[in-house]
This record gives sequence, C-alpha cells and structure tokens, in this order.
Amino acid sequence: EAQVTQNPRYLITVTGKKLTVTCSQNMNHEYMSWYRQDPGLGLRQIYYSMNVEVTDKGDVPEGYKVSRKEKRNFPLILESPSPNQTSLYFCASSYRDSRYEQYFGPGTRLTVT
Amino acid sequence: AQKVTQAQTEISVVEKEDVTLDCVYETRDTTYYLFWYKQPPSGELVFLIRRNSFDEQNEISGRYSWNFQKSTSSFNFTITASQVVDSAVYFCALSVNTGTASKLTFGTGTRLQVTL
Repeated sequence: EAQVTQNPRYLITVTGKKLTVTCSQNMNHEYMSWYRQDPGLGLRQIYYSMNVEVTDKGDVPEGYKVSRKEKRNFPLILESPSPNQTSLYFCASSYRDSRYEQYFGPGTRLTVT
Repeated sequence: AQKVTQAQTEISVVEKEDVTLDCVYETRDTTYYLFWYKQPPSGELVFLIRRNSFDEQNEISGRYSWNFQKSTSSFNFTITASQVVDSAVYFCALSVNTGTASKLTFGTGTRLQVTL
C-alpha cells in the first residue's frame, strides 16, 4: 500500500530535549516536505527536499533541521524544542515537486512543556 | 512572495444546501498550480483537485465543482447539495516552482459544518 508514515504519532516532551520525528514514504517520490498546522494559521511549510541531499527552507524553518540521506526518509529534528513548537506536524511527499499532489502522513501531535 | 487567503473561517449549512468556499491567491509568477485539500475530523489530509495557471476551465466532479478565475485571482470551491460527510476543514494551496525552489503555500482553511 502506497503510504507516508510518521513516528511517533504523539509526543510530549520538555523544553530543550532534542527529538526527531521520522517520515518515510514507499512511493519512490522525489519531493518531501514538512508542515506544521496551528489553529488559525493553517498549514505552513517548514522545510522541503527535492531529492537526496537537496533540502531548502520553507516559510517557518527556525528551530528545525532536516536531512535527506535516503530517498524514502526525511526526518525532522528539533535540536532544542520550545513551547512555541507545540503543534501538529505533517510530512508529505509527491512525485517530483510542489506542483504535484501531495501525499500526507497521518500527522504527529507534539507538545513541548 | 506568494499568499493564499481563505477569508471564511467557518461556515455552517443545513444538509442539501449548496455552499461555496472562497480562495484568493497572490503570486507574481505566471506559472503556478492551485490545489484544494480536505481535512475531515479524523485529521488526515485528502487531495481534491489540482489546477495549473494555464487552464481556466471549470471542473466538476460529482457534487464538487471548482471555479478558477485568473482575472480575480480566485479558485473557489462549491459543494452542491451538501451532506454531513462534507463536514471538514478545507484548505486551498498555491504552488510556485522556479526550478531551484518549490514551495507550497496553504491558506488558513475554512471549517465547514453540515448539519441535518
């Protein structure tokens, strides 16, 4: 089954404790991206990757890191999480770039206390 | 910079009513793509439609239709004879791909509540 998976689905952590949210797709897609969803703000793009070792900032990249060492994986790293990073995070992939339909993961609800 | 505005935060309708969700976009690029996604209460994001800037034909898919007007920079979504299962948050999105950058910008979403 074609899908995007994210882990964990729920995470409660404390300020400053480094964490990684994993994202994996099995569709051989070139483009992967991360979004955060906040009430009243919709979805905002954090980072995207157009292929292995090619990443670029979205609209809200501060406080986040990403890497794309393999085509299928695109982890999101919060080196020192803060309460304002409490949010619902979605990973997505598409065939080539943002012009194509995005396939979204199920989301990760992160709470930073 | 690109921007998507969904001015309607919440809409409530009674089943069988028609409802239109507005989407206004801003971009300086002449080539771009527009999307609509649905987020039902279960939380997943579901793709509904993609339109490129050179295709202004309206599209109909069952009870759903989309009206793309470049003159007003709008890409509105109409649900005919709404049903309770249409209750969801709907997002409009704009993609601009320059070859070296490929960003996707979403609007803030419109929550549609369909009641019996």
